[in-house]
Amino acid sequence: AQRVTQPEKLLSVFKGAPVELKCNYSYSGSPELFWYVQYSRQRLQLLLRHISRESIKGFTADLNKGETSFHLKKPFAQEEDSAMYYCALRGSNAGGTSYGKLTFGQGTILTVHP
Amino acid sequence: DTAVSQTPKYLVTQMGNDKSIKCEQNLGHDTMYWYKQDSKKFLKIMFSYNNKELIINETVPNRFSPKSPDKAHLNLHINSLELGDSAVYFCASSRKRSDNSPLHFGNGTRLTVT
Repeated sequence: AQRVTQPEKLLSVFKGAPVELKCNYSYSGSPELFWYVQYSRQRLQLLLRHISRESIKGFTADLNKGETSFHLKKPFAQEEDSAMYYCALRGSNAGGTSYGKLTFGQGTILTVHP
Repeated sequence: DTAVSQTPKYLVTQMGNDKSIKCEQNLGHDTMYWYKQDSKKFLKIMFSYNNKELIINETVPNRFSPKSPDKAHLNLHINSLELGDSAVYFCASSRKRSDNSPLHFGNGTRLTVT
């Protein structure tokens, strides 16, 4: 079974402060991890995925298989980062073929205050 | 405009009615999904179709019936609506089921059952 846990429902920081949104997962196979973001009145959209190892809008996330975590980090939060953030997992087999289903965490609402 | 589009955006109806939500994607994707976002913002997959074939059917009441006339469309029909069906329903698509391509989401349909 796939499970994604985001322990923080709400997270508030001040502009310029570092921010970390936590994500832990449970999956016995080889996971693909993603972060999706939903800004106010916009559709849910992909922020980043672990296989790309990229930094998007200053955000990074490292897959830690030992701790089964995929925390999202940004060193200096901006007001425009305020949004709902979802961590998501997609399982795949040993050969890397995806099973398709994307399992989401409960979401974390990030508010960045001026 | 290339995107995943769903209609209607808002749907208010009474208990016991039957309603449909339509979804279309012009991204050339093979796989489409329906997700339900409840009042606590929890996103859960309902169905997934790959080239018009049902591949994921989570524990969803039989009152919910997806229909995929072609791979660009995945409609959701709901019979005998109940209060608990009130939620935001998101349609999504991805390039292929078997690769790591991200999901592209529609804007959502907010269903309110009174």
